[in-house]
Amino acid sequence: DAGITQSPRHKVTETGTPVTLRCHQTENHRYMYWYRQDPGHGLRLIHYSYGVKDTDKGEVSDGYSVSRSKTEDFLLTLESATSSQTSVYFCANGPEGTDTQYFGPGTRLTVL
Amino acid sequence: GDSVTQMEGPVTLSEEAFLTINCTYTATGYPSLFWYVQYPGEGLQLLLKATKADDKGSNKGFEATYRKETTSFHLEKGSVQVSDSAVYFCALTINQAGTALIFGKGTTLSVSS
Repeated sequence: DAGITQSPRHKVTETGTPVTLRCHQTENHRYMYWYRQDPGHGLRLIHYSYGVKDTDKGEVSDGYSVSRSKTEDFLLTLESATSSQTSVYFCANGPEGTDTQYFGPGTRLTVL
Repeated sequence: GDSVTQMEGPVTLSEEAFLTINCTYTATGYPSLFWYVQYPGEGLQLLLKATKADDKGSNKGFEATYRKETTSFHLEKGSVQVSDSAVYFCALTINQAGTALIFGKGTTLSVSS
């Protein structure tokens, strides 16, 4: 079980507005990930973290930043939202010693 | 680069029919292979996994065998139920923590009674 909560679950915002999505885990796993899901693309990695203050870029990182100041929280920020960032965002985590990832319930973001 | 190709959907079946969803992969290393399932309005749930050639993953009546010679990981179930209606994703990762899951585009399964 991921033990992940994501907030908000739904958000509608306007182009140019900053947006922060929160991922909180209760499992204390070392690795955390942000993916976006778009029709016809499956899920694609945005950023991931391998520890507190340790993060790296994924396949589709442009326009996104992340922060991890505590083991349990992984934040995804859109500095200036664009319509192309309308998507469903999933957070995932994974324990050390395994390559399995467990997913949260998702956040549906609409940028008008 | 690494990639996953799975059959296009939607797949429409009657209850108790046999299910196969094809998945093939391209990877430079020795990947772990996964099937995830997404029920409407929910996140992804791990259905099964296999970490080396000839391993069989199984869960809830679903099975998939890691075939290195054909680079495939086809999902099968002998008798589907209406409750199996969902989107199924095949995915791979190179065998270490902290690396991305590479997903196929997903296959929608619809089962009618």
